[in-house]
Amino acid sequence: DSGVTQTPKHLITATGQRVTLRCSPRSGDLSVYWYQQSLDQGLQFLIQYYNGEERAKGNILERFSAQQFPDLHSELNLSSLELGDSALYFCASSVGLAGVYNEQFFGPGTRLTVL
Amino acid sequence: SQQGEEDPQALSIQEGENATMNCSYKTSINNLQWYRQNSGRGLVHLILIRSNEREKHSGRLRVTLDTSKKSSSLLITASRAADTASYFCATDATDKLIFGTGTRLQVFP
Repeated sequence: DSGVTQTPKHLITATGQRVTLRCSPRSGDLSVYWYQQSLDQGLQFLIQYYNGEERAKGNILERFSAQQFPDLHSELNLSSLELGDSALYFCASSVGLAGVYNEQFFGPGTRLTVL
Repeated sequence: SQQGEEDPQALSIQEGENATMNCSYKTSINNLQWYRQNSGRGLVHLILIRSNEREKHSGRLRVTLDTSKKSSSLLITASRAADTASYFCATDATDKLIFGTGTRLQVFP
């Protein structure tokens, strides 16, 4: 158990809908990262927050948004869902910033299926 | 886009054999990390090697880093069936971690 929790574990929804994925980092970790893993794209970095502020952006679509709250939990919002958004979404956390020799601890993931 | 690419894409070996996976990357890095992922589960950090280090050991794992060739290798010695998983390298140049394409390792008992 990494100490990172994600809810829900599975999500099945229809195209055009909006969903929210939730992540609670390990106690004491200030950085939260979101990744998308699909068969054709591999593991893609989406976005990073550090202590409530956005720090780095990756291949995140405009239909997607995220935030980190004062209690450090984070939410990833996916809207106008398309079939191609079906994937595993992982949250990870680390003590500090990615560039400062920190390992990341991954949650179990949310499997999103868009029908 | 992917920063790192692992080679081979897939590897099948017998228990007790050694497994070697290679990772190549494109830009300068601060450190390189290796992660393991069991099917459909979250990634687990294995080892981190800094850009000024050449080799690092952790149990049955040995990682090497050659910054002049922009490559790293992960060696798992005396493999076990439980080592069956996908292994990813990840490079950390700025504020984000960029993962490679992964090597799928299968260890047969």
